[in-house]
Amino acid sequence: EAGVTQSPTHLIKTRGQQATLRCSPISGHTSVYWYQQALGLGLQFLLWYDEGEERNRGNFPPRFSGRQFPNYSSELNVNALELEDSALYLCASSPRVLAGSGDTQYFGPGTRLTVL
Amino acid sequence: GNSVTQMEGPVTLSEEAFLTINCTYTATGYPSLFWYVQYPGEGLQLLLKATKADDKGSNKGFEATYRKETTSFHLEKGSVQVSDSAVYFCALRSGSGANSKLTFGKGITLSVRP
Repeated sequence: EAGVTQSPTHLIKTRGQQATLRCSPISGHTSVYWYQQALGLGLQFLLWYDEGEERNRGNFPPRFSGRQFPNYSSELNVNALELEDSALYLCASSPRVLAGSGDTQYFGPGTRLTVL
Repeated sequence: GNSVTQMEGPVTLSEEAFLTINCTYTATGYPSLFWYVQYPGEGLQLLLKATKADDKGSNKGFEATYRKETTSFHLEKGSVQVSDSAVYFCALRSGSGANSKLTFGKGITLSVRP
């Protein structure tokens, strides 16, 4: 069974540009999560999509946005890039969230975004 | 709000040494607790989890016990190997529905030397 895939592996942009990152979840998973892993800051929750809708977002400005497509793949868009947006962006997927909190999220390898 | 505190790193051990990585948490309700591992150049992998108090998660020789009285979920391994060198993240998830999301600690880098 294929795991979570992300593209591109690396992305280099300049300040002010826009970046688009893509994620394909594990087959059968309907929830997709995005996290930012910046140096020294650990993993910060960005966005959560389920069944095509945004369910929750972390403490990030509106220039971080995304969407989920009918096939459950997802895109993360970062507008007006700033130097501090340089980070590893991780996508994770899980089956539809049930009532319990023990659901496991499965992570992709990440996209390394560098803003110059 | 929810938070996870991990011990400061990095940690360097010799092969076959005993490992303990401390993790404590603050959460509302009854969270599930997780340890994730990130090997160099890779994404995160679930190492183990526990969903209720006194549960013990275990995998690949690693263990962690959910201690509600001390709000802790310390990771242990009796004999580490060079291949265990990685970054380890403690995480929790509580609530349900739209309020249910993973909260991670800052991670700790473990280096095991031969």
